[in-house]
Amino acid sequence: AQRVTQPEKLLSVFKGAPVELKCNYSYSGSPELFWYVQYSRQRLQLLLRHISRESIKGFTADLNKGETSFHLKKPFAQEEDSAMYYCALRRPGTGFQKLVFGTGTRLLVSP
Amino acid sequence: NAGVTQTPKFQVLKTGQSMTLQCAQDMNHEYMSWYRQDPGMGLRLIHYSVGAGITDQGEVPNGYNVSRSTTEDFPLRLLSAAPSQTSVYFCASRRVRDTEAFFGQGTRLTVV
Repeated sequence: AQRVTQPEKLLSVFKGAPVELKCNYSYSGSPELFWYVQYSRQRLQLLLRHISRESIKGFTADLNKGETSFHLKKPFAQEEDSAMYYCALRRPGTGFQKLVFGTGTRLLVSP
Repeated sequence: NAGVTQTPKFQVLKTGQSMTLQCAQDMNHEYMSWYRQDPGMGLRLIHYSVGAGITDQGEVPNGYNVSRSTTEDFPLRLLSAAPSQTSVYFCASRRVRDTEAFFGQGTRLTVV
């Protein structure tokens, strides 16, 4: 069964510090991985997906199949990055493929 | 462009009451789903639908019913509310050919 682990419930950093939000997964095949973000009083929204290899709002995430990880990184955190971050996995294939979410990490960036 | 709209935003129920959480999307998405969000548990899938007239169970379906009579709407019914159903409920939709899910703003439900 697929499983997503986010070991940190809360990550607190100062503005300008580097940030790494950890995500590990268990899945025997080649999954699709995502980071979703939920800002205060806003809906959950897609931040980035590994297949796009994109950088969004300064965040990047690299899929490491050897370590089964998909950590989210940003070199210089900003106060507006404070939010709840969820790592999610989806196994590719036909039909409805559900998203499996981690338990989330709350990022708090202080001035 | 409304996207995914959930109503109500907040609800308090007494144990044993029934109610329906509404979800509507205007993006003509085939897939719709309901999640519940609980502290320390992340988001867990309750029910999902791959198109009008087709629904199936997710991880935690007990105590909930769904139907999909139109592409746009996917209501979630609580048959007899229990305190264990106190949670934040999210509806999501996406195209069958896309990987990005679009979420509603959530419904915070408290069962007393």
